[in-house]
Amino acid sequence: TQLLEQSPQFLSIQEGENLTVYCNSSSVFSSLQWYRQEPGEGPVLLVTVVTGGEVKKLKRLTFQFGDARKDSSLHITAAQPGDTGLYLCAGAGGGGSNYKLTFGKGTLLTVNP
Amino acid sequence: DADVTQTPRNRITKTGKRIMLECSQTKGHDRMYWYRQDPGLGLRLIYYSFDVKDINKGEISDGYSVSRQAQAKFSLSLESAIPNQTALYFCATSARTGGTEAFFGQGTRLTVV
Repeated sequence: TQLLEQSPQFLSIQEGENLTVYCNSSSVFSSLQWYRQEPGEGPVLLVTVVTGGEVKKLKRLTFQFGDARKDSSLHITAAQPGDTGLYLCAGAGGGGSNYKLTFGKGTLLTVNP
Repeated sequence: DADVTQTPRNRITKTGKRIMLECSQTKGHDRMYWYRQDPGLGLRLIYYSFDVKDINKGEISDGYSVSRQAQAKFSLSLESAIPNQTALYFCATSARTGGTEAFFGQGTRLTVV
C-alpha cells in the first residue's frame, strides 16, 4: 500500500504570514498533484508536478516536487483568508498503477483576518 | 452547469435500506471513480471504471456496488446501508490520456441512521 503523509494536519495562521505544507512518501510517483477543497465542495486541482526537482508557481503558491519524486511541498506567501481550505496531495503512478491516485489525508488551513 | 454532477447532494436514510447515488459528467472522460471522504481518513477509492465494460474494485468496495450505464453516467449503490457508511461521497472523472488529473463532483453527504 502506498501512503502519502501530509503535515501538518491542521494549520491556523494570521493573514499575511507565510506557510509550508509537506507531502511525503516512501513510494516513487510519476506525478504528484495538489488539490484544494472548500467546505461543501469537491477537491479542485491546483497543479500537477511531473519532473523530479520541478518547481511551479501559481500566484502566491509555490509547489515543489522532490528530486526523487517521493515528496512535495506547497508554500504560500502572504496568506489570505481566501486561501482557507483543505489542501490535498495525490500521487499518481506509484507501484505501476498509472491510472490511480493515492491521496494524502490533507492539511486543513485556516487563515484568520 | 457543473462538469461533474452528483445527485442527491444530501441524503438521510435508515439502516438496511438500499440507496443509489448518481453521477453524470459532461467532460467526455472515459474514466470515472467513486471515493468516500471521512474526517481524518482522507479520500478512499471505492470503485473505478475505465469504460462502460470495465469496472474495478478500489480499496474499500465491501458493501458497495456500481453500475456504468453509459460513458457519462456512473452510479454507486449501497445494497443495505449501515451507519458506518455515513460519509461524504465524491464522484470523479479523468481523461484516458494526458495525465491522471481528477475532476470532482460537489459530493453527496450521506447519513445512515
